[in-house]
Amino acid sequence: NAGVTQTPKFQVLKTGQSMTLQCAQDMNHEYMSWYRQDPGMGLRLIHYSVGAGITDQGEVPNGYNVSRSTTEDFPLRLLSAAPSQTSVYFCASSYSILTGMHSGNTIYFGEGSWLTVV
Amino acid sequence: AQKITQTQPGMFVQEKEAVTLDCTYDTSDQSYGLFWYKQPSSGEMIFLIYQGSYDEQNATEGRYSLNFQKARKSANLVISASQLGDSAMYFCAMNYGGATNKLIFGTGTLLAVQP
Repeated sequence: NAGVTQTPKFQVLKTGQSMTLQCAQDMNHEYMSWYRQDPGMGLRLIHYSVGAGITDQGEVPNGYNVSRSTTEDFPLRLLSAAPSQTSVYFCASSYSILTGMHSGNTIYFGEGSWLTVV
Repeated sequence: AQKITQTQPGMFVQEKEAVTLDCTYDTSDQSYGLFWYKQPSSGEMIFLIYQGSYDEQNATEGRYSLNFQKARKSANLVISASQLGDSAMYFCAMNYGGATNKLIFGTGTLLAVQP
């Protein structure tokens, strides 16, 4: 998935520290989103954006902030890390999805960021 | 509320045989899309196949096909001629909330291909 780049790949934080997970895509996609994956579960949506300057909450937004100042970048901020935020984080991007129609588009994921909060 | 159910936590298949991974979904939306992703042990999410709710034909991508039964709300993934490299976790997902890329995922099926 060379089109969606996440950094860092691995990070260890202490409780209460803040950090930013970076996500960048070079495919000119309007839509970008962040998911977290916990053991034994599928991915859950944290925040998403339908374009520069527009963001909204997903299923599990508490403890996370996002902004979208450019089409290419969609950083995820942890303001005060907690052990419950230990997870694998995935960024995703796509063009507009023509829901219900085979548009030939898909949703691309980054390689993931492994975050441990101690 | 939208929901994706994958009832097979783990599956075994012999190399070169076909395997079906089950997925059922629940939604009140008329327009939606169904996805399958593969997650190998290295952790990345690899897109396999997409089916739109208005598509009348089942989607196919190489050795992958999606058996879409709209009335039963099922979207099973069929992998033909399994290969050792197919051993991975497989996730079914659905986009919801109109024309967005918000996805809801199932809990996954771990497939092991045996030589």
